[in-house]
Amino acid sequence: AQSVAQPEDQVNVAEGNPLTVKCTYSVSGNPYLFWYVQYPNRGLQFLLKYITGDNLVKGSYGFEAEFNKSQTSFHLKKPSALVSDSALYFCAVTPAGRYGGSQGNLIFGKGTKLSVKP
Amino acid sequence: DAGVIQSPRHEVTEMGQEVTLRCKPISGHNSLFWYRQTMMRGLELLIYFNNNVPIDDSGMPEDRFSAKMPNASFSTLKIQPSEPRDSAVYFCASSTTGDSSYEQYFGPGTRLTVT
Repeated sequence: AQSVAQPEDQVNVAEGNPLTVKCTYSVSGNPYLFWYVQYPNRGLQFLLKYITGDNLVKGSYGFEAEFNKSQTSFHLKKPSALVSDSALYFCAVTPAGRYGGSQGNLIFGKGTKLSVKP
Repeated sequence: DAGVIQSPRHEVTEMGQEVTLRCKPISGHNSLFWYRQTMMRGLELLIYFNNNVPIDDSGMPEDRFSAKMPNASFSTLKIQPSEPRDSAVYFCASSTTGDSSYEQYFGPGTRLTVT
């Protein structure tokens, strides 16, 4: 079965410290991987994606993620956390279709609440 | 550039009533997705369309739920009759697969409360 796991319900970080939000996946074929952020009472916002190429992907607001095929992981990172980064973070994956392209649908993890304290 | 538009933003209705949620995707996007988010179940994909055609509706919880996409710029999600357990935030998202983008853009959501 295809799935995405975010093992931590919540991550607490002090402002200025590095942060990591973990994600592992299990899908057939070559995955397309995404990170989204959701602020309170808002829709999900796209942060970054990995489709092919360099394993280190840079996205919005200083976030980056590293694709690790052997560990089937796609952890989200930021060198220096801000209080304004506090939000709910979702990892998502779409398995590649038969002809290589995405099937379009996304499988989302349950989300990780990031709390950054001053 | 307008994003995904959803209406209404909030809906409060009584059990048994019909509820219709509306979505206008981003112009040029060829895929549209309906999601439901609750504290208990997280984010669930209900149904998605590609070029106005329903591709996968396996996430639709019951026959009380139906969705249509009559044209590329409009979709509806209907619940009839509504029940208290349908209370959730319903999101619409759109994407394009034509240029290998694939990322989905979400609307602000409709918060549905069924009493």
